[in-house]
Amino acid sequence: KQEVTQIPAALSVPEGENLVLNCSFTDSAIYNLQWFRQDPGKGLTSLLLIQSSQREQTSGRLNASLDKSSGRSTLYIAASQPGDSATYLCAVKGDYKLSFGAGTTVTVRA
Amino acid sequence: GAVVSQHPSRVICKSGTSVKIECRSLDFQATTMFWYRQFPKQSLMLMATSNEGSKATYEQGVEKDKFLINHASLTLSTLTVTSAHPEDSSFYICSANGVRTDTQYFGPGTRLTVL
Repeated sequence: KQEVTQIPAALSVPEGENLVLNCSFTDSAIYNLQWFRQDPGKGLTSLLLIQSSQREQTSGRLNASLDKSSGRSTLYIAASQPGDSATYLCAVKGDYKLSFGAGTTVTVRA
Repeated sequence: GAVVSQHPSRVICKSGTSVKIECRSLDFQATTMFWYRQFPKQSLMLMATSNEGSKATYEQGVEKDKFLINHASLTLSTLTVTSAHPEDSSFYICSANGVRTDTQYFGPGTRLTVL
């Protein structure tokens, strides 16, 4: 059974600081890994999707890396802003379903 | 981009009643839809996978007679919580895969409170 862990569970940083969010998974037989953003009481917004054959994906201030063999992914958010405050979830896709981590809740202080 | 809607966004019901939640893909056809539940500060847990025109596949531990799923068209799936109890109170989120895409698009979620 796939287990996905996200560390830290919560993070508070001053505006402008870079964010580093970690995700680890136990079964390296994955098709892809996806990072999502969830605002309180809301659904999920997809941020980045990395195929299993890829090492990283970038979108604007966001960069996600994937090391499938070691079961790790890292999401970097450059020059954080108060609007980046949210919970960030990673999810890995196995044969048919996504397995989610519990998320990292980020607070960016103005 | 692809949009998935859910209705209602929030529902409060009495114990013993049934509640239906709708999930719609607004601008694409969804061959597969997924239903998740999320408890506060916890991860999303997959409840079931539904394919248009066929029976849903339920995850281990999910009661199929309690959580009825219907995927009658390529744009609509419904989840009915039957004989709801307070422990069914949760945040229910659906998602949909488009045709030939790995990306799942998520709905905004439905907050169910059972009194």
